[in-house]
Amino acid sequence: AQSVTQLGSHVSVSEGALVLLRCNYSSSVPPYLFWYVQYPNQGLQLLLKYTTGATLVKGINGFEAEFKKSETSFHLTKPSAHMSDAAEYFCAVSVSWGKLQFGAGTQVVVTP
Amino acid sequence: DARVTQTPRHKVTEMGQEVTMRCQPILGHNTVFWYRQTMMQGLELLAYFRNRAPLDDSGMPKDRFSAEMPDATLATLKIQPSEPRDSAVYFCASGLDNPINEQFFGPGTRLTVL
Repeated sequence: AQSVTQLGSHVSVSEGALVLLRCNYSSSVPPYLFWYVQYPNQGLQLLLKYTTGATLVKGINGFEAEFKKSETSFHLTKPSAHMSDAAEYFCAVSVSWGKLQFGAGTQVVVTP
Repeated sequence: DARVTQTPRHKVTEMGQEVTMRCQPILGHNTVFWYRQTMMQGLELLAYFRNRAPLDDSGMPKDRFSAEMPDATLATLKIQPSEPRDSAVYFCASGLDNPINEQFFGPGTRLTVL
């Protein structure tokens, strides 16, 4: 069965510093992977997704993620954190037709 | 700009009352999901519809929760009777039954059961 594990439920990063959120997946078939962001009092919205092709995927707001099959990872990065990046981030893997398995989420706090 | 809509956005009710939450999926989407989010449990999948047929409601307490899709433009989640432990944010999401496609989330219904 497909699943994802997010390492670290809370991450604190200084404004301007690198943001790195870790996600490892387990899948018996080639995975389709997603990162979502949830801002306070809002629903989840898609940041980026990996389906096939290029392993480095660029998303919105300057985020990108790299699919590494050998490490079963799909870590999310942003070179320079902004205060507006404070949110909860969810990694997800496609389980079946349209259904996603979400990770537990990582809360990002950005300090001035 | 197509988006998933949910009503009501906020609901405060007393224990024992019936609660109905509604969701309008994006036109053309054929999958609908209901999630519950709490601080303690995080994001939980309650029910899943494909072409209006329920595919998976194993995450839903069967004795008090029910989910339906009366038509392609409306999904409902009902709690009867409600309990304080049902207090949470309930999200609806819609998408296509294709594994490469993402789900689109609504803004959620914040339910408080007193």
